[in-house]
Amino acid sequence: KAGVTQTPRYLIKTRGQQVTLSCSPISGHRSVSWYQQTPGQGLQFLFEYFSETQRNKGNFPGRFSGRQFSNSRSEMNVSTLELGDSALYLCASSLGQYSSTDTQYFGPGTRLTVL
Amino acid sequence: GNSVTQMEGPVTLSEEAFLTINCTYTATGYPSLFWYVQYPGEGLQLLLKATKADDKGSNKGFEATYRKETTSFHLEKGSVQVSDSAVYFCALSGSSGGYQKVTFGTGTKLQVIP
Repeated sequence: KAGVTQTPRYLIKTRGQQVTLSCSPISGHRSVSWYQQTPGQGLQFLFEYFSETQRNKGNFPGRFSGRQFSNSRSEMNVSTLELGDSALYLCASSLGQYSSTDTQYFGPGTRLTVL
Repeated sequence: GNSVTQMEGPVTLSEEAFLTINCTYTATGYPSLFWYVQYPGEGLQLLLKATKADDKGSNKGFEATYRKETTSFHLEKGSVQVSDSAVYFCALSGSSGGYQKVTFGTGTKLQVIP
């Protein structure tokens, strides 16, 4: 079974631009979660989508948004980029069950650098 | 809310040394517990998990036992290798605010020297 894929793997943008990152979950997984990872803040939860609906949201400004398509693929968008948005963005997929045993599987991440 | 506390790193060990990375948690109900590993430049990989009290998760020589009485899930390995150098994250999945949510610790960097 193919794992979680994220595209692109690396991205360089300038302040004020916007960016869209893509995530394809493991086949059959209906939940996709997004995380931001930085050396200073660690792993921070952005949002979770299940069946095209945002099910949970972290504490990030409205510049960060996402969506999920009917095939469970997900995109996240960051508008008006700031230097502090430079990070590794990780996507994780799971079956999406309302159960604590539901395991998340992570993609390799997209490394975003804002200049 | 739920929380996970891991020992601060970095942890530096010689090859073949014994490894313990402490992890304690706070949660309501019956969470599942996980250890993830992140190698340089990569995403997180599931290392092991335990879904109920007294369960032992194990993989690649690593072990962790779900201790409800001490709310702990310490990661251990009897003999580390240079290839084990990575960042290790403890995590729990449980109910928080009506949702199933995964909460991660801050990560512990392990460096193994030959």
